[in-house]
Amino acid sequence: EVQLVQSGAEVKKPGESLRISCKGSGYSFTSYYISWVRQMPGKGLEWMGRIDPSDSYTHYSPSFQGHVTISADKSITTAYLQWSSLKASDTAMYYCARLRGGDAFDIWGQGTMVTVSS
Amino acid sequence: EIVLTQSPGTLSLSPGERATLSCRASQSVSSSYLAWYQQKPGQAPRLLIYGASSRATGIPDRFSGSGSGTDFTLTISRLEPEDFAVYYCQQYGTSPWTFGQGTKVEIK
Repeated sequence: EVQLVQSGAEVKKPGESLRISCKGSGYSFTSYYISWVRQMPGKGLEWMGRIDPSDSYTHYSPSFQGHVTISADKSITTAYLQWSSLKASDTAMYYCARLRGGDAFDIWGQGTMVTVSS
Repeated sequence: EIVLTQSPGTLSLSPGERATLSCRASQSVSSSYLAWYQQKPGQAPRLLIYGASSRATGIPDRFSGSGSGTDFTLTISRLEPEDFAVYYCQQYGTSPWTFGQGTKVEIK
């Protein structure tokens, strides 16, 4: 079965660092981009950026450039989203999704809820 | 950045009725790289349509997509109870990829 499985919910304090993960299985991990998508409470979807796991080339939305880092380890078919200093405004559900060519985001992870509160 | 504007914001319909959702882009969408997703409460989005008009694997044929350039439409021919949800359009042809703000289809 093709799936993306994300790490569990996190509760953090402002200023703390965090890395969440997205593990792909059931397909050739290096043949698809992995994107991250943010959904703030009660709001819509926002594309954050993507990575090509074959060479770790990344591309970010200008809205998120410099605020997060996307990485991947193809040896363990896992992509990551990380923050060096969280803010309360980072509280959201974060989804990973795969894409290849014109096929759009056909498989999504289950989401990771990140709560940042003092 | 391509801005996608979805209308209406909320659509109130009864099961069995036809739903027509609109997505308008601020500039032409490259190669018709326009997708539609369905999201239910507490769930991840699910791909319905890609390439403006191609149904994703396992999607019933009551869902159809059309359009090109700047105007796109998602049509649900006959609403089933499980179709009441929020629908998002997305363009993935020009970076940054962007989503519309969503249309909620609710039971009348």
